[in-house]
Parts: sequence; C-alpha cells; structure tokens
Amino acid sequence: DGGITQSPKYLFRKEGQNVTLSCEQNLNHDAMYWYRQDPGQGLRLIYYSQIVNDFQKGDIAEGYSVSREKKESFPLTVTSAQKNPTAFYLCASSIGGGPLSSYGYTFGSGTRLTVV
Amino acid sequence: QKEVEQNSGPLSVPEGAIASLNCTYSDRVSQSFFWYRQYSGKSPELIMSIYSNGDKEDGRFTAQLNKASQYVSLLIRDSQPSDSATYLCAVNRGSSGGSYIPTFGRGTSLIVHP
Repeated sequence: DGGITQSPKYLFRKEGQNVTLSCEQNLNHDAMYWYRQDPGQGLRLIYYSQIVNDFQKGDIAEGYSVSREKKESFPLTVTSAQKNPTAFYLCASSIGGGPLSSYGYTFGSGTRLTVV
Repeated sequence: QKEVEQNSGPLSVPEGAIASLNCTYSDRVSQSFFWYRQYSGKSPELIMSIYSNGDKEDGRFTAQLNKASQYVSLLIRDSQPSDSATYLCAVNRGSSGGSYIPTFGRGTSLIVHP
C-alpha cells in the first residue's frame, strides 16, 4: 500500500541537541511539506518542497532545516536554535497543482517531539 | 485578521442529527478549499475538497462554498459517535514561490453523543 511513513513516533530531545525527523513517501508525489501542531492550534507550515533539490521556507522556519535529495524523502532537522520544539510534527505530500487544484494532502502518522 | 477562522467549539450534537461546521477565510483570491478530520492523537485525513460555488456531496458529507461571502461549510448528516473528532478547514493560498499552499484553521471539535 502507498503512503507516508514518519519515524520515530516519539522522540525526546535534550537541550542543545539537534534531532532529525524522517519522512518517506511511496505515492510518487512531487510535493512534500512539514507542519507543526501545538495543542489547541492549527497546523503551521515549517518548510515545503515542490520538487527535488528545491525547498521553500514556510511561516515558522526559524530553528529548522530540511533537505530534498530524493523525491521520496524529506527529512526535517530540529536544531538547537529552535527554543520551543515540543510539538506534534506532521509530514504531508500531495500531487501538487495550481490554484484550482482539488488535490489535498496525505499525512503521515506524525512524530511527537518532547524536550527533556 | 486570521487567514482561516473556525469556531473552536466544541459543537455537541445528538446522534442522528445534522452537524454544521463553518469556516471563513480572508484571501479573496483563494481557489481551493478542503475539509480534514483529525481524531485525537492522530494525523488529519482528507474528507472533501471543493472549488466551485455551491454544494458538493459525498455520502453523508456535504461541502458548501460561497466565494462572495468567503465562507465554506461542512454538513454531516446522520451524525454518528464515530464522527466525534476535530474538523480542520484548509484554504489554498498563493506563496512567494508561485505555488499554492493550504492554510489551516485551528479546527472545530465535534462531539456526537448517543
């Protein structure tokens, strides 16, 4: 079955440590995205990539970095510069498309990151 | 002004009733609109998309779009306890890179009680 796999499901980070969240998809989707969700809040866009070897900052990119070396993979690194990283991180992919696109996202199961 | 606004709820309806969820958006040039369902502790799943004015029906779900008034709604007929979840509205917006990225509302919590 096609889908998006995020790992790990739970992750604990120590102060000053960088951690990397994995996101892999086998849907042959061009576009991939990272969102952060805090309790009682909507999804906030961190980074997105519409094509391999290219990515764009979202609304809250500070303290995060990404790479898109393969179509299937879009890992997110939470750096020590991110002062409040505890959140639920969601990776998504889509076929892509223009303004009239009715293609929505397929989401992974998420990674819960906690600072200890 | 928030780009996509939803009443956080909770909206409580009895089993078998119609649940009506509403969403307003600020960007007049938005073209595509989506409803996602998110169960507690899980990731969102796409329920419906709509980009033309009027109604779009899929089973027990009906999405309604009114671009002149800048609102989109989701009706759930014959609500079931299994429909209890948070419903997220998402609206496509243009980005600096020329692509179109959904902006999400905070979601409305729906509780369907037996």
